[in-house]
Amino acid sequence: RKEVEQDPGPFNVPEGATVAFNCTYSNSASQSFFWYRQDCRKEPKLLMSVYSSGNEDGRFTAQLNRASQYISLLIRDSKLSDSATYLCVVRNTGRRALTFGSGTRLQVQP
Amino acid sequence: EAGVAQSPRYKIIEKRQSVAFWCNPISGHATLYWYQQILGQGPKLLIQFQNNGVVDDSQLPKDRFSAERLKGVDSTLKIQPAKLEDSAVYLCASSLDGARANYGYTFGSGTRLTVV
Repeated sequence: RKEVEQDPGPFNVPEGATVAFNCTYSNSASQSFFWYRQDCRKEPKLLMSVYSSGNEDGRFTAQLNRASQYISLLIRDSKLSDSATYLCVVRNTGRRALTFGSGTRLQVQP
Repeated sequence: EAGVAQSPRYKIIEKRQSVAFWCNPISGHATLYWYQQILGQGPKLLIQFQNNGVVDDSQLPKDRFSAERLKGVDSTLKIQPAKLEDSAVYLCASSLDGARANYGYTFGSGTRLTVV
C-alpha cells in the first residue's frame, strides 16, 4: 500500500466550478501536511500547508482529519491557470524529507 | 535569492552507459535531497544529506546509484550502468534547519533523463 494515496484524475471542470481533491495517508506518525502544485514539465511548488483546524488561502481551502488520516483541497471559482497536477504531501515525525502522493491532475476548461 | 540550480536540464543516454547530475542548493540550506520522478508518479526520495553526511539512503538502488556531497554544499548523483527504467526526472531540493513547518523546502528545475 502506498503511504500517500490520491485519485489520479483527470478532473475536467469548467471555469468557475468548485472542485475537491482528497488524499489519504497510511502512517499515523505523519506530522506535517502540504499540498504542492506541479505544472507540466516543471518542479513541484508549495501551494499551502494544511493545519488541523483547516485553513484557507484565497480560493483554496485545505482540511485535515487526523482521525481518518484524510486530507482535502477545495478550489473555488476555478481558473484556467489552475490547470496542473496537485500533489498531496506528508512529513513523518522525526524526518525532514517529504513523502509525495502520485498527484491528481486538474484540467480547467473554458 | 537564487534558487536550487541543477544541470544538465536534459540528458539522453543508451542503456548501460553512465550519467551524472549536479545540484547546487540554496545558500545556507544544510539539507539536500535527491528525488526521482517517473512519469505519472509523484517524486520519490532517493537520498537525503545533512551537510555532507547521509541521513537517509534507504530507497537508493545502491548497486547502480551513488551520490556525494563532499563539502556540504553542491552534490552529484551518478547512475552506472543505466537501465531503461531509470528514465525519469531527477529533482534536487534543499531546505533549512529549524522549526518552520516547510523548512523553506525548494526544488530545482530537475534533469530529465531518457535511457534508450
